Parts: sequence; structure tokens; C-alpha cells
Amino acid sequence: LAKTTQPISMDSYEGQEVNITCSHNNIATNDYITWYQQFPSQGPRFIIQGYKTKVTNEVASLFIPADRKSSTLSLPRVSLSDTAVYYCLVGDTLTGGGNKLTFGTGTQLKVEL
Amino acid sequence: NAGVTQTPKFQVLKTGQSMTLQCAQDMNHNSMYWYRQDPGMGLRLIYYSASEGTTDKGEVPNGYNVSRLNKREFSLRLESAAPSQTSVYFCASRDTGRPSTDTQYFGPGTRLTVL
Repeated sequence: LAKTTQPISMDSYEGQEVNITCSHNNIATNDYITWYQQFPSQGPRFIIQGYKTKVTNEVASLFIPADRKSSTLSLPRVSLSDTAVYYCLVGDTLTGGGNKLTFGTGTQLKVEL
Repeated sequence: NAGVTQTPKFQVLKTGQSMTLQCAQDMNHNSMYWYRQDPGMGLRLIYYSASEGTTDKGEVPNGYNVSRLNKREFSLRLESAAPSQTSVYFCASRDTGRPSTDTQYFGPGTRLTVL
């Protein structure tokens, strides 16, 4: 089970780009990297998932270097509503099951005016 | 399409009481999960069910039991509640039928206090 390490917190201002990096040194060949967002008093919500290189959707981009030992979630032009906890997960999505997925403590992003 | 629903939203129990948290999903997902989240902490997996008829322990199963009643429903039972089980409980489901995706859909949570 690949363990992840993220910064505990980050601060930013509206309109800036925010990059949150996650380390997963012992990621396995079949593991995908997934990011979730959680607002207070709500369940986590899927943001983006990738295996290698770059993935982009309407919400964020995910950059994964060739060695896959880290990944960076990029949020373009953040707003106050992006204030949340962001979790990086690494796990094997092909074999199913739940015990291969671990939520760490996440990164608390605070966006100010 | 309601997604994942949980009942109740709030519950207060006395030590030693029992209760069942209900979870249902209408997305025809195979896998379902129960997590707990303590203040300032990430989510910890209690139990999961990879498919109808199967259940397995997660990271923190002690003090809990689960039932996968059918494909839609996955319940979590506390037989004898303890203050250490005060937490927010989240149910989630995942469509494991699609490779290369791991989107878990979460319910709104149940906030449980054990006095």
C-alpha cells in the first residue's frame, strides 16, 4: 500500500494558481493517483485521476513525472470557494476492494481575498 | 438520481446503546464503503463490500459490524457504542466495473455522538 505525504496546509489569494504536491515514493505499477476535495460537513468529492504525464479536466490539472513518485494538483485561478481539504490517494483501481485506498490527513487550502 | 444517501444525519447515543447506520446508492455500483472521520483527521476505512454478498475489514473494524443487504444497501452497526466511536461516518460507493477509474461517491455523512 503506497503511503502519501502532503503539506498540512497552504494559503493563497483569489486569482492565483495553487499547486499541491503529493509524494508517493513506493507507488506500485498498477496504482493510479486520485485527488479528492472535501468541504466542511460534507463527504469528499472526486477531482481528478491520472496514471502518468498530465491530465486536465474542467476543474484542475494533474502533473505526474516519469518516475511517478510524486504528483502535483494544480488549481488555476482559485477563488474563496476552493477553500477545502485536498486529499491525494494512491491505489490499485483495477482489482477493486477498499483496503488499498488510504486517505491521509490531506492539505487544508485556505484562499483569501 | 440521489447518489449516496445516509440516515440518520445526526445521532446521540449513550454508552452501551446500539444502533444501525443506513446507506443506500442508486448508481448500480458494485463496491460500497464505510469510513469514519475524526476532527482534524482524514478518513479511515472501517469496512467495505467489494460486491453484493461480500464484506471485509478495513483499517479500523473493531466495534462495528456491517451488512450488505443487497446491491443498493450497506449498513453499519454499532452493537455497544463507546465514546471513542464519536465521529462523522461516511458511506461511499464505487463503480469497479470500469477499469482505470476510481471515483468514489460519498454520502453526506452521519454525525454520531456517544455520551
